[in-house]
Amino acid sequence: AQKITQTQPGMFVQEKEAVTLDCTYDTSDPSYGLFWYKQPSSGEMIFLIYQGSYDQQNATEGRYSLNFQKARKSANLVISASQLGDSAMYFCAMRELVSGGYQKVTFGTGTKLQVIP
Amino acid sequence: DVKVTQSSRYLVKRTGEKVFLECVQDMDHENMFWYRQDPGLGLRLIYFSYDVKMKEKGDIPEGYSVSREKKERFSLILESASTNQTSMYLCASRPTGLTVQPQHFGDGTRLSIL
Repeated sequence: AQKITQTQPGMFVQEKEAVTLDCTYDTSDPSYGLFWYKQPSSGEMIFLIYQGSYDQQNATEGRYSLNFQKARKSANLVISASQLGDSAMYFCAMRELVSGGYQKVTFGTGTKLQVIP
Repeated sequence: DVKVTQSSRYLVKRTGEKVFLECVQDMDHENMFWYRQDPGLGLRLIYFSYDVKMKEKGDIPEGYSVSREKKERFSLILESASTNQTSMYLCASRPTGLTVQPQHFGDGTRLSIL
């Protein structure tokens, strides 16, 4: 079963508009963490934002915010005021403890965002 | 800054060869990971390690093995390379703890099996 699901293979957004990238997850670990990464065409993985399962408030980092709905098991990334440099692949990832107490980090299939001038 | 270094950026090997991909990190992280990245499939976890000489299978371990003899080094081994192992391979490291600490990634190795 897929642990992390990103249902949008590709998205377009007009420059200066906001965009939401979807992510749903599944885990039995109560102490999980969720990450979003950006991967530009250069290939590097850039960490954007983190949400812990016990965090009461939605995480924000500059133009990035995370719409965390724990009961729905969703952690959508919201990018406000899109810029041309935001064009990239975006990955949602989950850290969870598996049997034995080890940390496992799994990723979704990604969403390719293209910002239109 | 954390540095994760993968030994090769590009690698071309032949079917049936034994292939070694090396990864070294310089921040004393306990956890290290190997992923492969394919279009439309995202990053898939092959193996991970939480300590020296310790390893756990990820979601797609078949055809791969790993070695972690020293804390800073995590090697991925393709025992007998096949064409379906042509892919981008990414190594990552992370400290232990339920913290905001993200994984730190290497630049990736683009492996072609002919």
